[in-house]
Amino acid sequence: AQSVTQLDSQVPVFEEAPVELRCNYSSSVSVYLFWYVQYPNQGLQLLLKYLSGSTLVESINGFEAEFNKSQTSFHLRKPSVHISDTAEYFCAVSAPSGFKTIFGAGTRLFVKA
Amino acid sequence: DTGVSQDPRHKITKRGQNVTFRCDPISEHNRLYWYRQTLGQGPEFLTYFQNEAQLEKSRLLSDRFSAERPKGSFSTLEIQRTEQGDSAMYLCASSLSPLMNTEAFFGQGTRLTVV
Repeated sequence: AQSVTQLDSQVPVFEEAPVELRCNYSSSVSVYLFWYVQYPNQGLQLLLKYLSGSTLVESINGFEAEFNKSQTSFHLRKPSVHISDTAEYFCAVSAPSGFKTIFGAGTRLFVKA
Repeated sequence: DTGVSQDPRHKITKRGQNVTFRCDPISEHNRLYWYRQTLGQGPEFLTYFQNEAQLEKSRLLSDRFSAERPKGSFSTLEIQRTEQGDSAMYLCASSLSPLMNTEAFFGQGTRLTVV
């Protein structure tokens, strides 16, 4: 079975500052890892994913995450945030041979002007 | 294709009433999932269909909950004798198999309020 821990429930940050949202996972098998973003009153949108290959994955809007197997982490980073990045971010894990995705409790990113 | 569609977006019901939600997945996706999300929490897995077959149900899904996917296309989630604790966002997602398990695409959810 897999589990996900998001270490911060809320992260306030000023606009144009860097941010890191932390995610650790637990699994007895190899995993796929995901970050989803949820804007207010909307469903979840996939931000980026790690399936295999390069451990550093990037999204189209400047976020990146690095898969660290030894530390069982998949932290999300952005060097300079915008007001529009304010949202809830969910880290998630699934097994390649499985079918369900397990989500963390979420981190609310609040970008202040 | 416009993505995963859920109906209604919002539902307010009195305790004890039955409610039914509908999910239309992305057309070529044969996997369909239901999740429940309560305030301040991540989505919790409820159940999963591969085509029309319901292959797993979470222990969160009490006997009052039933889900169907009659022709392997759209799905319905029914809650009988609703309770205040059922108030949540109900999310539907779909994905493609038998390729490796890839990401699920989510609908915008149905927000249920039981009063």
